[in-house]
Amino acid sequence: GDSVTQMEGPVTLSEEAFLTINCTYTATGYPSLFWYVQYPGEGLQLLLKATKADDKGSNKGFEATYRKETTSFHLEKGSVQVSDSAVYFCALSDRVGYSGGGADGLTFGKGTHLIIQP
Amino acid sequence: NAGVTQTPKFQVLKTGQSMTLQCAQDMNHNSMYWYRQDPGMGLRLIYYSASEGTTDKGEVPNGYNVSRLNKREFSLRLESAAPSQTSVYFCASIDEDEQYFGPGTRLTVT
Repeated sequence: GDSVTQMEGPVTLSEEAFLTINCTYTATGYPSLFWYVQYPGEGLQLLLKATKADDKGSNKGFEATYRKETTSFHLEKGSVQVSDSAVYFCALSDRVGYSGGGADGLTFGKGTHLIIQP
Repeated sequence: NAGVTQTPKFQVLKTGQSMTLQCAQDMNHNSMYWYRQDPGMGLRLIYYSASEGTTDKGEVPNGYNVSRLNKREFSLRLESAAPSQTSVYFCASIDEDEQYFGPGTRLTVT
């Protein structure tokens, strides 16, 4: 079945440091890939996504490139801020031609807790 | 446009008590989901509803029931709460690939 593996934290960085959170996946089809962010006490919010190989998703200074050859979707940011402290989830959707919901909708990694120190 | 709303935000139950977690979305989405989030486990799917009037089991359905009351509302019921059901519960709805999450219900069963 589908699975997502991401580095577990906590990951602790100083403000303005470079961030990489690794994510690799296994899937039977051609999945769409996502990064979600969860701030303390809140639900998950979509951060960025990529729907096909070599696509780059970007938002709020974060980027991730869909690498089919390495089955990876690593999250990067050039200069992190204290406000980026949160839990980050990598996820995939493996529903070719799908137009509604289902149990195969999203497979999540276990989340990476990021702590940015001033 | 409130997105996905959940009630209550916090709840403490004694073992054996029952309760219903409420979820509603105002985005006219067909599909809705219930997840639980536990430390080190990520999100695990409990039940989902692909459309009004249909529901199906996810990865961890035991001890739960759901009702898709109409297109907007999808409730999760614990008939006899157990300490193992202590968790944070999230409801979500989906638009194509993107899922929209509610703020969560933090449930403690003592």
